[in-house]
Amino acid sequence: DGGITQSPKYLFRKEGQNVTLSCEQNLNHDAMYWYRQDPGQGLRLIYYSQIVNDFQKGDIAEGYSVSREKKESFPLTVTSAQKNPTAFYLCASSTLGQSNQPQHFGDGTRLSIL
Amino acid sequence: RKEVEQDPGPFNVPEGATVAFNCTYSNSASQSFFWYRQDCRKEPKLLMSVYSSGNEDGRFTAQLNRASQYISLLIRDSKLSDSATYLCVVNKAAGNKLTFGGGTRVLVKP
Repeated sequence: DGGITQSPKYLFRKEGQNVTLSCEQNLNHDAMYWYRQDPGQGLRLIYYSQIVNDFQKGDIAEGYSVSREKKESFPLTVTSAQKNPTAFYLCASSTLGQSNQPQHFGDGTRLSIL
Repeated sequence: RKEVEQDPGPFNVPEGATVAFNCTYSNSASQSFFWYRQDCRKEPKLLMSVYSSGNEDGRFTAQLNRASQYISLLIRDSKLSDSATYLCVVNKAAGNKLTFGGGTRVLVKP
């Protein structure tokens, strides 16, 4: 089945620890995105990538890092510099076109602080 | 002013009734509009794209009003399974980026 796979589903972070969230897609999409959603709020863009080995900061990139070494994979690292990491993290992908294409989401990772 | 604004609700809707709600956007240059549905503690799922002429998908109708900068979603013959949060999504001015509204919560009750 084609889709986007995020892992793990739940993750706990200790103080001062970096953690990495995995996102893999087999939809052959060029663009991938990471969002953060806090309770009762909309999605906020952390980072996005439109091509391998290139990515751009979104609206709330501080305390996060990403890499895009393969088209299929776009892992997100939540660093110890992110002081309020507890949130629902969503990865999405889309094709690229002249107009914005809809994005398709993985089922998310819930990150909490221990 | 937020880029995309929605009434958070909840809209309490009797089963079988019609419900409609709007979403306003601030960027007059926006070209792409979508409605997503998000169930509690789940990922958003694309409900429908919104086209300039308006479009319908079964019981769901989306409209775009460029002059007043809002899009709307109407749900006819509401089902219990329509209970969800509906996210309005608009493209940013540059790049392939989307802005998500905070969502409108709909509760369909028997």
